[in-house]
Amino acid sequence: EDQVTQSPEALRLQEGESSSLNCSYTVSGLRGLFWYRQDPGKGPEFLFTLYSAGEEKEKERLKATLTKKESFLHITAPKPEDSATYLCALIIQGAQKLVFGQGTRLTINP
Amino acid sequence: GAVVSQHPSRVICKSGTSVKIECRSLDFQATTMFWYRQFPKQSLMLMATSNEGSKATYEQGVEKDKFLINHASLTLSTLTVTSAHPEDSSFYICSAPTSGGAGGELFFGEGSRLTVL
Repeated sequence: EDQVTQSPEALRLQEGESSSLNCSYTVSGLRGLFWYRQDPGKGPEFLFTLYSAGEEKEKERLKATLTKKESFLHITAPKPEDSATYLCALIIQGAQKLVFGQGTRLTINP
Repeated sequence: GAVVSQHPSRVICKSGTSVKIECRSLDFQATTMFWYRQFPKQSLMLMATSNEGSKATYEQGVEKDKFLINHASLTLSTLTVTSAHPEDSSFYICSAPTSGGAGGELFFGEGSRLTVL
């Protein structure tokens, strides 16, 4: 069965304290892995798409990496405005729909 | 970037009534739109795939007679929750892919929070 697991479920950091969020997956065929940010009461906001192992993408304080089994979202020197839930999602070969992980609720304290 | 708009953003209704939620793609055409539901502190669960000009495809366990989906044009899909009950209270989100349908081009609406009293 195709599965997406995110860890930790929640993470609290001090401003400037770098860390990483994990998204591990077991799927029959990966077509793409996506990271989204979701603020409370709002829809997900697209961050990155990764298609193949070894690929990396960066945007401001965020960097996403991909291996054959997992993806990491690295956050460097975070600020309070980076507080949100970060969602990982997959598109599987032969399908068009996204399968979401449970998300990691990130809180950055000033 | 592409914008997907949902309306209403919040709705409160009495048990037994029906509620319609609209999802519009504002600057692109979408032959397919996706409807998700999200319960508090949980992730998004796909409910159905809305197809312009044809019937929607529902995920296992989603009642098609309760959640009516109409994709009348290339920019509008509607979700109607019929005879709503308190357990239908949730956050409903639509999404639409731009050309190619790749997830990286999948844009989400702001969501509609339904509260059934």
